[in-house]
Amino acid sequence: AQTVTQSQPEMSVQEAETVTLSCTYDTSENNYYLFWYKQPPSRQMILVIRQEAYKQQNATENRFSVNFQKAAKSFSLKISDSQLGDTAMYFCAFMKPAGAGSYQLTFGKGTKLSVIP
Amino acid sequence: EPEVTQTPSHQVTQMGQEVILRCVPISNHLYFYWYRQILGQKVEFLVSFYNNEISEKSEIFDDQFSVERPDGSNFTLKIRSTKLEDSAMYFCASSEHQSQIGQPQHFGDGTRLSIL
Repeated sequence: AQTVTQSQPEMSVQEAETVTLSCTYDTSENNYYLFWYKQPPSRQMILVIRQEAYKQQNATENRFSVNFQKAAKSFSLKISDSQLGDTAMYFCAFMKPAGAGSYQLTFGKGTKLSVIP
Repeated sequence: EPEVTQTPSHQVTQMGQEVILRCVPISNHLYFYWYRQILGQKVEFLVSFYNNEISEKSEIFDDQFSVERPDGSNFTLKIRSTKLEDSAMYFCASSEHQSQIGQPQHFGDGTRLSIL
């Protein structure tokens, strides 16, 4: 079974600064996908960034980037130039095949990020 | 941008009653999912659905749960006889056809289910 661990229940960052959220996972799979989702107070789950395990290059999406260390099973999220709208719960998620072409997400417990003006 | 919609946003039900949670996935998506998030806990996979049948289900998805795609747009989760521990946020998600594997799942806003 897969497990996803987010060791930081809460973090805060000053507006315009950079923050890194950590995530580790455990799996015996070789082909999988990793995601960061954001859940603001409005509670919608929003996809932030995605990483394919077979790609060595770290994914980037505007101010969001990841540091993917496959051997260490680590998948951290870096948010640069933090904005007030980044305040949210951030979930790290591992995706594996679930049969018939569908996929199953396993989530971490989340990190609550507060951006301070 | 197309999005997954869920209704109602909050459902309050007496223990032992049946409840149906409704979802309208993104129109060209073919894979559908339900997840659950008990207050203060992680989001947990319940079930995946493709081509009018369940692809996989977790151990949480017991005989009290069922899913259905009654028409071309809706995807429902039914809990037959609710228990107090069913109180949670329920998220519906959908993803495109797996022509490119590992397509991300797009989530709805969730339905908060409160069992009294």
